[in-house]
Amino acid sequence: AQTVTQSQPEMSVQEAETVTLSCTYDTSESDYYLFWYKQPPSRQMILVIRQEAYKQQNATENRFSVNFQKAAKSFSLKISDSQLGDAAMYFCAYRGNKLVFGAGTILRVKS
Amino acid sequence: DAGITQSPRYKITETGRQVTLMCHQTWSHSYMFWYRQDLGHGLRLIYYSAAADITDKGEVPDGYVVSRSKTENFPLTLESATRSQTSVYFCASSWDRGYEQYFGPGTRLTVT
Repeated sequence: AQTVTQSQPEMSVQEAETVTLSCTYDTSESDYYLFWYKQPPSRQMILVIRQEAYKQQNATENRFSVNFQKAAKSFSLKISDSQLGDAAMYFCAYRGNKLVFGAGTILRVKS
Repeated sequence: DAGITQSPRYKITETGRQVTLMCHQTWSHSYMFWYRQDLGHGLRLIYYSAAADITDKGEVPDGYVVSRSKTENFPLTLESATRSQTSVYFCASSWDRGYEQYFGPGTRLTVT
């Protein structure tokens, strides 16, 4: 069965600094997708970034980028120039035959 | 309004009662999903549907029933609610398995 592990229950970052959130997954599938979602206090789930497993190039969306290491089954999220609005719970998700979410990482941004 | 909506947004019910949570999407997405979110567990998939009349179990399906007679609706029924089903429930939809899931606003369910 596929599993997704987010080993950091909480992280803190100073405003304007860079932070990296970790995610590892376990699968025997070769065709899958990986996602990072953000959940602010409003509870609304918002897609941050998406990566296709067959693409070697790391996905980037403005201040958000990933470090996708397929062989290591690692999918970390880097947030550059952190802003107060980035404070939220971040979920890593795997989509193969099944869809599995990690337990989440709370990101706190200090001003 | 376009998008994905859930109703009710808040529900309190008693143990043993039947409860149905509604989910409606206006995009004609093929896939729809139900999750529950509990502290320390993230989101766990209850059921999903790849198309009308096609449903499949997720990680935690016990105690829940779904149906999908129309593409746009995907109701979730708790046939006999238990306290362990107190949670926040999210419905989501997507075009296909590799595409972004769009989430509804969630339903907070409390079983007393």
